[in-house]
Amino acid sequence: QIQLVQSGPEVKRPGASVKVSCKASGDIFTNYGFNWLRQAPGQGPEWMGWISAYNGNTRYSQKYQGRVTMTTDTSTTTVYLDVRSLRSDDTAIYYCSSGRTAIFDHWGQGTLVTVSS
Amino acid sequence: DIQMTQSPSSLSASVGDRITITCRASQSIGTYLNWYQQKPGKVPKVLVYAASTSQSGVPARFSGSGSGTDFTLTISSLQPEDSASYYCQQSYSTPWTFGQGTQVEI
Repeated sequence: QIQLVQSGPEVKRPGASVKVSCKASGDIFTNYGFNWLRQAPGQGPEWMGWISAYNGNTRYSQKYQGRVTMTTDTSTTTVYLDVRSLRSDDTAIYYCSSGRTAIFDHWGQGTLVTVSS
Repeated sequence: DIQMTQSPSSLSASVGDRITITCRASQSIGTYLNWYQQKPGKVPKVLVYAASTSQSGVPARFSGSGSGTDFTLTISSLQPEDSASYYCQQSYSTPWTFGQGTQVEI
């Protein structure tokens, strides 16, 4: 089964951008789609979008459309999440996840993104 | 977007108790409903999918039921290691959405 390892914590100023990575191993990368979710302190997870490692197709939550970009690099079996125009309420743990369609079976360890002036 | 509402938001129970957590969807979602357990500092773990199918390896004391808009997660005999937050999630349509969670204290 697939294992997911994410990049380390980030501290950003409001208005900046952040790029979080998620390296996959343990199975054929292009067989999978990858979701990005985030979880603010004391809140439930929130789905941000999905990308296919097979063909790069994406589907974003309307809430994040235009402010996030998800990409893949098949040569390094890594998935990326780029979030622009950060605000203080973007402070959260960001997770990559994969598995069955719309069921989040496998998770990265999470990346804490703190947005603070 | 489909809104998922859980109740209660928290509960306190004793070892051996039977507890039920309720999740209501803002529209009918058939049986496209999954349950997760999340312990502090850990990632969520699938307990039940398709409303009532237990994930492999999950103890038999966890069970799910329901269809349409109303769903339940039952823990038949609460154990100390069940202290966690529990979330429902609809997989009927994007954006996939979660409930706000139920914190179970033992």
